[in-house]
Amino acid sequence: DGGITQSPKYLFRKEGQNVTLSCEQNLNHDAMYWYRQDPGQGLRLIYYSQIVNDFQKGDIAEGYSVSREKKESFPLTVTSAQKNPTAFYLCASRDQGSGNQPQHFGDGTRLSIL
Amino acid sequence: ELKVEQNPLFLSMQEGKNYTIYCNYSTTSDRLYWYRQDPGKSLESLFVLLSNGAVKQEGRLMASLDTKARLSTLHITAAVHDLSATYFCAVALLYGGATNKLIFGTGTLLAVQP
Repeated sequence: DGGITQSPKYLFRKEGQNVTLSCEQNLNHDAMYWYRQDPGQGLRLIYYSQIVNDFQKGDIAEGYSVSREKKESFPLTVTSAQKNPTAFYLCASRDQGSGNQPQHFGDGTRLSIL
Repeated sequence: ELKVEQNPLFLSMQEGKNYTIYCNYSTTSDRLYWYRQDPGKSLESLFVLLSNGAVKQEGRLMASLDTKARLSTLHITAAVHDLSATYFCAVALLYGGATNKLIFGTGTLLAVQP
């Protein structure tokens, strides 16, 4: 079955540590996105990528970095510069050639500080 | 800056009753999406509304869009417990070209009581 796989499901970060969240999709989608969700709130866009080797900052990119070396993969690194990383992180993808199709989401990674 | 407001933020309703969730947005858009999120889970796409006057129905849920009023509604008919979840509306903006950037509302937590 096609879909989006995020790993790990739970992740703990120590002070000063960088951590990387994985997002892989086999939907052949060009566009991929990373969102952050805080308790009781909607989603906020961190980074997005329309095509391999290209990505753009979203609304809350500070303290995060991404790469897009393969169409299927869009990993997110939460750096030590992100002082409040505890949140639920969701990866999404979309087929940009199919008109107005919705974004499809992975199951998320819950990140906490130790 | 586009703002998306949902109300109510929390809705407790009895099984069998009808209710409506409202989604207001502050700037022009021709695409609006409704998503469902179960606790600790990912987002599931419910409806894509593409034009003024669009109405879509799936089971006990019906969504509509009034682009002139910048308002979408999600109507619940004869609620059942299985509909308990958080519902998000998301308004689409073109961002950096063709990318479908979504601005999410804060969500409506729906609890259907027996």
